[in-house]
Amino acid sequence: AQSVTQPDIHITVSEGASLELRCNYSYGATPYLFWYVQSPGQGLQLLLKYFSGDTLVQGIKGFEAEFKRSQSSFNLRKPSVHWSDAAEYFCAVGDYAAGNKLTFGGGTRVLVKP
Amino acid sequence: NAGVTQTPKFQVLKTGQSMTLQCAQDMNHNSMYWYRQDPGMGLRLIYYSASEGTTDKGEVPNGYNVSRLNKREFSLRLESAAPSQTSVYFCASGAGVSYNEQFFGPGTRLTVL
Repeated sequence: AQSVTQPDIHITVSEGASLELRCNYSYGATPYLFWYVQSPGQGLQLLLKYFSGDTLVQGIKGFEAEFKRSQSSFNLRKPSVHWSDAAEYFCAVGDYAAGNKLTFGGGTRVLVKP
Repeated sequence: NAGVTQTPKFQVLKTGQSMTLQCAQDMNHNSMYWYRQDPGMGLRLIYYSASEGTTDKGEVPNGYNVSRLNKREFSLRLESAAPSQTSVYFCASGAGVSYNEQFFGPGTRLTVL
C-alpha cells in the first residue's frame, strides 16, 4: 500500500527567507503526486501536481516542487516566504488503480515570523 | 460555480446520536470522497465513490455509511456517533482520471460528547 511521510511537523521561517518542505512517498509504480495547502479553518487548495515529464513542477503562489525518483521524494520549495504562506501543507500520492484515491502525509505546519 | 459545498459547517452530537453530512459538487465530476482530518494524521479516506452508483471503503470506514444519491451528491452518515468520531470532515470531488486533482469542500467540524 502507498504511504506518504512528511518528516517535519512544524517549521518556523522568517518572512523573506526560503522554505523547503520535505515529502517522501512509497508507491509501487510511477506516482502521481500533489501538494495541497490548508489555511486556518479552510479546506484544501491544490498548489501543484506531478504526473510525468519535467521533474521540476511550478505551482501557484510562487511554489515549486522537485520529483526525485531515486530518493522517493517530492519536496516543496519557495524562494521567499510571505506572511500569508503561514498554513498547513500536505503532500499526497494518488492511487490510479482504485478510484484515484489520495493518500496524505501528516502535514507540515508553517509559521512565518515577521 | 460553488465548487464543493458541505452542510452543516459545525455540529455537536451526543454519544449514540445519528446524523448525516451532506456534500454536493457542481463540476460534473465522476468521483467523490469523504475524508476525516485529525491532528498529526493528515487526511484519511473514509469512503469514496469512483462513479455514480458505486461506493467503496477507504482506510477508516468503521462507524460510517455513505450514499451516492446522484452524480452531484454524496452523503456520509454516522448511525451511532462515538467520541472517537470527533473530527473535521472533508468532502472532495474529482474527474476520476489519475492525474486530476481533487477539489475540497470547506469542511464540517463535528464534536461528539
